[in-house]
This record gives sequence, C-alpha cells and structure tokens, in this order.
Amino acid sequence: GNSVTQMEGPVTLSEEAFLTINCTYTATGYPSLFWYVQYPGEGLQLLLKATKADDKGSNKGFEATYRKETTSFHLEKGSVQVSDSAVYFCALSDNYGQNFVFGPGTRLSVLP
Amino acid sequence: GAGVSQTPSNKVTEKGKYVELRCDPISGHTALYWYRQSLGQGPEFLIYFQGTGAADDSGLPNDRFFAVRPEGSVSTLKIQRTERGDSAVYLCASSFSIHNEQFFGPGTRLTVL
Repeated sequence: GNSVTQMEGPVTLSEEAFLTINCTYTATGYPSLFWYVQYPGEGLQLLLKATKADDKGSNKGFEATYRKETTSFHLEKGSVQVSDSAVYFCALSDNYGQNFVFGPGTRLSVLP
Repeated sequence: GAGVSQTPSNKVTEKGKYVELRCDPISGHTALYWYRQSLGQGPEFLIYFQGTGAADDSGLPNDRFFAVRPEGSVSTLKIQRTERGDSAVYLCASSFSIHNEQFFGPGTRLTVL
C-alpha cells in the first residue's frame, strides 16, 4: 500500500538557518503530494501541494518539488523564523484524491 | 467562525463505555473525513463521506467504530465498548470536494481509562 516516510525530529535550528525536511513516498499511480503544518495549539493546515511530477509547491517561503524519479518531496526554506516552529507532516493522496496517507511528522524548533 | 468545529474538545471515559464525537464541517463542503492521531504519529485515515454516504470506510479499525452523516453536513463518529488503545486525538476535516484542500478541525482528545 501507499506510505510516506519523513525524517525524524526534532529538528532544532537557529533563526535564519536553512531548513530541509526530507520526505519520500511509496505509491502506485500518480499521487498528489502535500505538506501540512501544525502550529502549537492549532489544527493541521495545508502548507503547500504538488499534483504532478516536477511541480513545485510554494507558500510562506517554503518550497517542495515533486520528484518522481526519486519518489521524494523534500520541504525547504532558505531562512527560518521563530514563528516557523511547528510540526510538519508530509502526505499523499492517490490520483482520485482519496486514500490520504500522512507521515509521522517532524517537529521543528527555531531558536532566536 | 467559518472553520471546522469538533465537540467535545476533550473526552475522558472508562473502558467499555460508548462515546460519540461530533464534527461540524465548513458549510457547503460535501466531503468529510475522519482521522485518528496517536501521540507522535501522523493522522491515520478512518473514513470519508461524500454527501451522506460513506465513500470509503476502509480505515475503520474494527466494527466497534461507526460514523454517520445523515443530512450531509454534521457527522458523528461512534465508538462502542471503548478500549484503552482507542485513546488518541480524533480529527475531522472537510473539503469542497474530494479533489480540494482539506480543512481540519482542532480535534477531540479521547482518553479511555
């Protein structure tokens, strides 16, 4: 079945550092890929998504590129802020928009 | 507010009891999803509705779990004969259709003693 693997946390960075959170997936067909974020005390929010190979999703300075050849969707940000401290979840859905599968989450802490 | 709401926010019950968890989706959203999130894990899909019908209930762990959405809006997740292993945060999400962004509620934290 479909699955998502992402790097274990927690990840602790200083403000303005470069961020990468790795995500790889296993899926049949042509899944859509997502990054969700959960800020402290809040519900899950969609951060960005990509629906086909080589698409780049971007939002709030975060980017991720759908790489079918490496089955990856790594999240990157050039300069993190304290306000980016949250738990980040990589997820996929099948090509019908169903069968959502989430990774275990990566907790990011950004220190001033 | 216009977001997804879930009640109660916290529920503590005893092993063997019956519980109901409620989800109010965003008005006009036809798709509604239930997930379960255990500590340190990502959300695990349980069931989703398109309108009033359960389009996919393959994630329900066993027959103690059941969900309804009789009028295509509010949904109730029902758990019979609760077990300690059912303790988790139960998340609800809704979307305009199955191909659109899912908006998540704050969750109900269920603790089975």
